[in-house]
Amino acid sequence: GIQVEQSPPDLILQEGANSTLRCNFSDSVNNLQWFHQNPWGQLINLFYIPSGTKQNGRLSATTVATERYSLLYISSSQTTDSGVYFCAVVKAAGNKLTFGGGTRVLVKP
Amino acid sequence: GAVVSQHPSWVICKSGTSVKIECRSLDFQATTMFWYRQFPKQSLMLMATSNEGSKATYEQGVEKDKFLINHASLTLSTLTVTSAHPEDSSFYICSARQVREKLFFGSGTQLSVL
Repeated sequence: GIQVEQSPPDLILQEGANSTLRCNFSDSVNNLQWFHQNPWGQLINLFYIPSGTKQNGRLSATTVATERYSLLYISSSQTTDSGVYFCAVVKAAGNKLTFGGGTRVLVKP
Repeated sequence: GAVVSQHPSWVICKSGTSVKIECRSLDFQATTMFWYRQFPKQSLMLMATSNEGSKATYEQGVEKDKFLINHASLTLSTLTVTSAHPEDSSFYICSARQVREKLFFGSGTQLSVL
């Protein structure tokens, strides 16, 4: 199956800092989504981004499908940004969403 | 965005009993739903794909007789953990596919088997 690797596994930030999370995948995809899992387990859709660049407030994401990676940018981080960020992909011609290992983010006040 | 409702949010049961978890797409029809399992501080692992009106497709290593999945309508899929044991304790989360491959997730169910 497709491999999805996220880095770094853990990230500690001071409030107000910027950061970049990376997601590498091993095969062509027709779906890539970024999620934020809050402390209660709820998965929040951040971006549906199989290619290109999108922005939503302080968050933005870029997927370079030809090079098989995606980046999630967090600017001016806040303590509420803490949690686990997951990248998940669907292999081209497939239908299953495969998750990366996640990046655990802690934003300190 | 689309809403997927999952309940119960948490359940505690005795070993040997069965537990049913419901997953509903509230404002769209979902021909396909997925069930995931997540252990503490780990990623989500796909257990099975639930297709409306047909049998579920289970991932390798998932016991289909222990984890019964029923997708009876375009808005409801259920996961029943049969004869639960402590090792079945986990966080279970469902998702439903909307158009263009985008998936939305329920809020999850924390199962604790005593």
